[in-house]
Amino acid sequence: EPEVTQTPSHQVTQMGQEVILRCVPISNHLYFYWYRQILGQKVEFLVSFYNNEISEKSEIFDDQFSVERPDGSNFTLKIRSTKLEDSAMYFCASSPDRGSGTEAFFGQGTRLTVV
Amino acid sequence: DAKTTQPNSMESNEEEPVHLPCNHSTISGTDYIHWYRQLPSQGPEYVIHGLTSNVNNRMASLAIAEDRKSSTLILHRATLRDAAVYYCILRDVAGAGSYQLTFGKGTKLSVIP
Repeated sequence: EPEVTQTPSHQVTQMGQEVILRCVPISNHLYFYWYRQILGQKVEFLVSFYNNEISEKSEIFDDQFSVERPDGSNFTLKIRSTKLEDSAMYFCASSPDRGSGTEAFFGQGTRLTVV
Repeated sequence: DAKTTQPNSMESNEEEPVHLPCNHSTISGTDYIHWYRQLPSQGPEYVIHGLTSNVNNRMASLAIAEDRKSSTLILHRATLRDAAVYYCILRDVAGAGSYQLTFGKGTKLSVIP
């Protein structure tokens, strides 16, 4: 069964450093998303991406964050200068279209720890 | 997205049916009802969705009230692997143009062996 894959599974970084979280969405999907979940809290939407541009972003997704689809298979989330409060699980998701009856497929997540 | 209300937690015995309720009294006519679950230390996983009619798939059944103000996710025989947080989410992409899923706190289901 096709799945969304994320690497690395765990990333430790020093405060102020840049990190790139990588995702390979399901191959025929067109819509891509990043969500995050701080330990013990809700899953929060960050950004959606379609046709090589951001479709929607939340208030969390400020200038420190950026997304890119550098080739036909990868989808990345970059945090330019990490803060302690960026420590969270980051989930990538993809869907074949954006209709309200469409399911999203999530990866297993990258645990980001900022020290 | 319209708001949903779920119990914080529920318990079930293994191999018994589980009925997970969700209230969505402000649902609009174009809102789909989606259910996702999140197993411990994993990403959310799609379970089922519906609009008006009851739905069945290999994982679960979704029973939607006639007035659509509530729905129930039914797991026919709970297994230990079904222990997870279950989220009921309304999605109206056509109306609001939003791509995102809005997760609440969900219902934490514990399955007792």
